[in-house]
Amino acid sequence: DAKTTQPNSMESNEEEPVHLPCNHSTISGTDYIHWYRQLPSQGPEYVIHGLTSNVNNRMASLAIAEDRKSSTLILHRATLRDAAVYYCILLGAGGTSYGKLTFGQGTILTVHP
Amino acid sequence: EAGVVQSPRYKIIEKKQPVAFWCNPISGHNTLYWYRQNLGQGPELLIRYENEEAVDDSQLPKDRFSAERLKGVDSTLKIQPAELGDSAVYLCASSSSGQGIKETQYFGPGTRLLVL
Repeated sequence: DAKTTQPNSMESNEEEPVHLPCNHSTISGTDYIHWYRQLPSQGPEYVIHGLTSNVNNRMASLAIAEDRKSSTLILHRATLRDAAVYYCILLGAGGTSYGKLTFGQGTILTVHP
Repeated sequence: EAGVVQSPRYKIIEKKQPVAFWCNPISGHNTLYWYRQNLGQGPELLIRYENEEAVDDSQLPKDRFSAERLKGVDSTLKIQPAELGDSAVYLCASSSSGQGIKETQYFGPGTRLLVL
């Protein structure tokens, strides 16, 4: 399975933008980039996903590098409710990894008031 | 729309005892997943169902773990006998099959198991 690398932790202030990086240098051409987050004592929740083009939704934006070897999840205005573990996951198209979410350690985001 | 429902939310048992977890997925979702999450780690897939069929159970420790999804809706995950190392959060997720690698998984709140 293609792997992702994320910083262990990041900090932000409330109302400021947050850029969460993810490296995936071994990504294949058909892998989708998915982001999930997990709030304390809850199950993970879907945030956003993309393939090649940048994506926006009501929760966040996803910026994908032109070579697809890295991506950045952007929270435009962090709130205290955004404090969570953020996971960057490659969802594969082939073989036994098809549709399989493989979670890494993720990035622990702390938001200060 | 109701989300994924799991019960119980918490369970404390002594080692060697059996335990079972129940999951009701989102209505209409054909694909159901069971994950295990150890403290400080990301969730790990145990088993994935497409309707009633277990299509990926390669990570399920089959000597003590079993799962079923009768009628392709609710699912039960069982551990018998439980060991100290089974203490973890057991998460259930569901998705609407047909979207393949773009499909979103919806997770329940999990069952926190403590084995003493």
